[in-house]
Amino acid sequence: DAGITQSPRHKVTETGTPVTLRCHQTENHRYMYWYRQDPGHGLRLIHYSYGVKDTDKGEVSDGYSVSRSKTEDFLLTLESATSSQTSVYFCAFRGQNTGELFFGEGSRLTVL
Amino acid sequence: AQKITQTQPGMFVQEKEAVTLDCTYDTSDPSYGLFWYKQPSSGEMIFLIYQGSYDQQNATEGRYSLNFQKARKSANLVISASQLGDSAMYFCAMREKGGNTGKLIFGQGTTLQVKP
Repeated sequence: DAGITQSPRHKVTETGTPVTLRCHQTENHRYMYWYRQDPGHGLRLIHYSYGVKDTDKGEVSDGYSVSRSKTEDFLLTLESATSSQTSVYFCAFRGQNTGELFFGEGSRLTVL
Repeated sequence: AQKITQTQPGMFVQEKEAVTLDCTYDTSDPSYGLFWYKQPSSGEMIFLIYQGSYDQQNATEGRYSLNFQKARKSANLVISASQLGDSAMYFCAMREKGGNTGKLIFGQGTTLQVKP
């Protein structure tokens, strides 16, 4: 058990609706990340956080926002979902050893 | 710009044989880290092995080893004695420049199938 959970694990929604994905970690890690995985692209960074209320953009941040009001929770919000945001979303925290990332189980989002 | 390239979309290997998954990278930063992850069909991302740019020896973790050739900017993953459970997608990743943020950039992945 890596101490990180994502919810919901699966979601189907319609274009134009807001969606929030939650990432919860239990080990007080400072750095957290949201990635999306799409065929042919590997994983691409959306946003990351380096502390409570401290966040920054990644490679593919357009259309996404994040919030981190507590160390343990990192939320990813799609203000108005589009079909191009259909993807698998992974949350991760940074490990203490070599800086490897430990990932949640992933959240599969389908935007119709 | 920093980049990770995995040129093998898919590979096959016979059970019990060794296999090498290719990864090349591009960076101008002298300090960087390289990682390999495994993603089985169940979808989770599993950290396998790490190599630091200043490490003198190639990293090893059980049946996994990283063939690090710094001058060629390659960080190939070698899996010895393949098992059916090794069938998965494998991702190479590099810690980005300005490594304090811990951000990783990933390659496109290689799907490995182990044949019985």
